[in-house]
Amino acid sequence: AQSVTQLDSHVSVSEGTPVLLRCNYSSSYSPSLFWYVQHPNKGLQLLLKYTSAATLVKGINGFEAEFKKSETSFHLTKPSAHMSDAAEYFCVVSDNTNAGKSTFGDGTTLTVKP
Amino acid sequence: EAGVVQSPRYKIIEKKQPVAFWCNPISGHNTLYWYLQNLGQGPELLIRYENEEAVDDSQLPKDRFSAERLKGVDSTLKIQPAELGDSAVYLCASSSPGGYGTDTQYFGPGTRLTVL
Repeated sequence: AQSVTQLDSHVSVSEGTPVLLRCNYSSSYSPSLFWYVQHPNKGLQLLLKYTSAATLVKGINGFEAEFKKSETSFHLTKPSAHMSDAAEYFCVVSDNTNAGKSTFGDGTTLTVKP
Repeated sequence: EAGVVQSPRYKIIEKKQPVAFWCNPISGHNTLYWYLQNLGQGPELLIRYENEEAVDDSQLPKDRFSAERLKGVDSTLKIQPAELGDSAVYLCASSSPGGYGTDTQYFGPGTRLTVL
């Protein structure tokens, strides 16, 4: 069984300040972990993914995430928020078995204030 | 490269009516997914296809939902009859196999269904 918990349903930051979106996961197998972003009226887009290589993963638009097995966490960070970062963010865990099933978190809404 | 195409984008129907959603995946992607996304929640898998074969339909409510991917390319998801609780966004995604669980999924914009 696997699950993912996004610890904050809403995060609000000022433009130019750091972003931290928190994600904890549970998995019986060695998981793959993803962050997707969803802008209004657009499809989900991959930001970055971890698939058992380097634990610090860099993605698009300056985002990065660190896989911490001991803490079962995969938090998403960005040093400086931009207005265009305002969106819904989803953390996803997939098991690396034949099933390869993905489980999505409930999302974190990021608001960026000018 | 064209992305995942879904139609219609919006659909409003009366309860007990049938409805169908269409999805055309990215060319060459063998895996196709249908997800249900309720307001304020993450997507939940309804069905996953590998080519024409439905390899995971455990979460598909088979009494009213059906899906097909006859030629292993585009796919249709149908609800008959629709209920008020089916109001949601229906997402289609596709991926090219890169290893179990490691695939990047590419999503369409979704179909927003409202059942009155």
